[in-house]
Amino acid sequence: AQSVTQPDIHITVSEGASLELRCNYSYGATPYLFWYVQSPGQGLQLLLKYFSGDTLVQGIKGFEAEFKRSQSSFNLRKPSVHWSDAAEYFCAVGVPSGGSYIPTFGRGTSLIVHP
Amino acid sequence: GAVVSQHPSRVICKSGTSVKIECRSLDFQATTMFWYRQFPKKSLMLMATSNEGSKATYEQGVEKDKFLINHASLTLSTLTVTSAHPEDSSFYICSARDRGRTVTQYFGPGTRLLVL
Repeated sequence: AQSVTQPDIHITVSEGASLELRCNYSYGATPYLFWYVQSPGQGLQLLLKYFSGDTLVQGIKGFEAEFKRSQSSFNLRKPSVHWSDAAEYFCAVGVPSGGSYIPTFGRGTSLIVHP
Repeated sequence: GAVVSQHPSRVICKSGTSVKIECRSLDFQATTMFWYRQFPKKSLMLMATSNEGSKATYEQGVEKDKFLINHASLTLSTLTVTSAHPEDSSFYICSARDRGRTVTQYFGPGTRLLVL
């Protein structure tokens, strides 16, 4: 079965600084990969996704992620963090099956932004 | 973009009562809907997958008689927490897969359940 690891429970950055959130997955082939953001008390919003093709994926709100097959990683990056980016971030992997998939979520990384 | 709604957004109930949570896809048809449970500071735990017109598939360890799921139409799935107890208090999130775009999932805003 697939699994996903987000090694950092909390990340603290200053506003304007760059950000990288780590995500590693375990699966024998290339799964579908996702990053979601969750604000307090809210549902999940999709930031970006990777299915195939270009390994550098651009998402909403200035986020990007890079799929690295050799490292089984799909790290999320943003060059300059805004205070409004403070939230919980979830990486998810889905194993393709018959044109569909069921995702598995990482435990999440809480982003704290200092002014 | 596709929108998924949940109702209610927040519910408080007495122990022993049943609570129904609705999940609707507002502008697309969802052949498959998922129900997740999220504990504080924890990840989402998939409870069950429901396909329109058929019985839900529950994940291991989830009591199907406790968490009743109905997916009667292409735009509505319901989760009923029967005989709720304080340990059922949690944040419940549904997601729906667009019938025409089978890979993308859209998440609802979640329902906060507090059982007293």
